[in-house]
Amino acid sequence: QVQLVESGGGLVKPGGSLRLSCAASGFRFKDHYMSWIRQAPGKGLEWVSYIGSSGSRSTMYYADSVKGRFTISRDNAKESLYLQMNSLRAEDTALYYCAREEQQGAFDIWGQGTMVTVSS
Amino acid sequence: QSALAQPASVSGSPGQSITISCTGTNNDIGAYNYVSWFQQHPGKAPKLIIYDVNHRPSGVSDRFSGSKSGNTASLTISGLQAEDEADYYCSSYTSSRTVLFGGGTKLTVL
Repeated sequence: QVQLVESGGGLVKPGGSLRLSCAASGFRFKDHYMSWIRQAPGKGLEWVSYIGSSGSRSTMYYADSVKGRFTISRDNAKESLYLQMNSLRAEDTALYYCAREEQQGAFDIWGQGTMVTVSS
Repeated sequence: QSALAQPASVSGSPGQSITISCTGTNNDIGAYNYVSWFQQHPGKAPKLIIYDVNHRPSGVSDRFSGSKSGNTASLTISGLQAEDEADYYCSSYTSSRTVLFGGGTKLTVL
């Protein structure tokens, strides 16, 4: 069935790095834009980044809060999405979801999320 | 990039209708018909219930409807049911080619 499964979350110290992965199945991954969206504990949703279907640099966009620190990428052959997170801060602590974007802002498939905690 | 403005909470009795507003600017809601709404139950991933202002994905109840006027979008839920109690988020594509979410609205079914 159509599914997204995130992994790679964990506890990291401020200033540290982490790489999240999202494995897709059940649909033509290479045909879809993909996004990362996060939710801090007890807070609302925050869009983080999206990447176009081909993965070209020109179709990568970021929220101001993560620009220059996070890098999104994808491997269509492996049907996987990634988020490299560097220079992590306490305010990056959140549940990170990957989501399929059927069209602009219409995130129709979500994973279960992977938790990232930034703390000393 | 400020979040879209939503009321923190709304409530209604079973069978009633409620409307949740979502206010943005000329650079997001006012610029495109790319407004979506999501329902999130506690401990669950969000679920898309409206996209492109007023389109429902397959399988979503027709009790959910969306609209837009200027820089404000709205979600209306008619015939409220206990299972509708959840958090609701709006989102909009922006002129910076990013996506903004609203702060979320907690719906309580009395």
